[in-house]
Amino acid sequence: ELKVEQNPLFLSMQEGKNYTIYCNYSTTSDRLYWYRQDPGKSLESLFVLLSNGAVKQEGRLMASLDTKARLSTLHITAAVHDLSATYFCAVDTSGTYKYIFGTGTRLKVLA
Amino acid sequence: EAGVTQSPTHLIKTRGQQATLRCSPISGHTSVYWYQQALGLGLQFLLWYDEGEERNRGNFPPRFSGRQFPNYSSELNVNALELEDSALYLCASSHQGRRNTIYFGEGSWLTVV
Repeated sequence: ELKVEQNPLFLSMQEGKNYTIYCNYSTTSDRLYWYRQDPGKSLESLFVLLSNGAVKQEGRLMASLDTKARLSTLHITAAVHDLSATYFCAVDTSGTYKYIFGTGTRLKVLA
Repeated sequence: EAGVTQSPTHLIKTRGQQATLRCSPISGHTSVYWYQQALGLGLQFLLWYDEGEERNRGNFPPRFSGRQFPNYSSELNVNALELEDSALYLCASSHQGRRNTIYFGEGSWLTVV
């Protein structure tokens, strides 16, 4: 059974600092997704990573995928308060569209 | 372009009752997905409908059911409600042939008392 693990679960960081969120998954997958969720809100799609070595960047966020290591990272550069949210990675195997979500990383950026 | 819309926003039911949640996908999307986000359990896949057919189902009991209508909108029905069914139910949709991203609605909060 596919398992998706994120770490850390909670992250409190100062504005201006850099940090990385890790997403490990247990079986082969060719699709990995990153979502953001603000409290009480729905999920906003951030990145879709479709191949080994894929790297995507949007503003202060950069996501990468290593399918051999079954690892994706979400790197935050020079964090700002507006990035405070919960970040989820999700994996879909064999195109089933049964997304398996990670536990989420609750990020709090302190001013 | 309107996003995925869900109704109701909030619903309070008592144990044993039935709840019906509704979802309208983004125009042009034919696939609809349902997820449950319960406190402490994270996001769990419930159901996937495409072209009116149930394509995949998560590890939920049969009292969780749904359907997709000819206009691609969808209903999720939860029968014999239990307290642990209290959760945010998220609907998502995707475009046929470009199944790389699914777009989520705002969700329906179901509280069972």
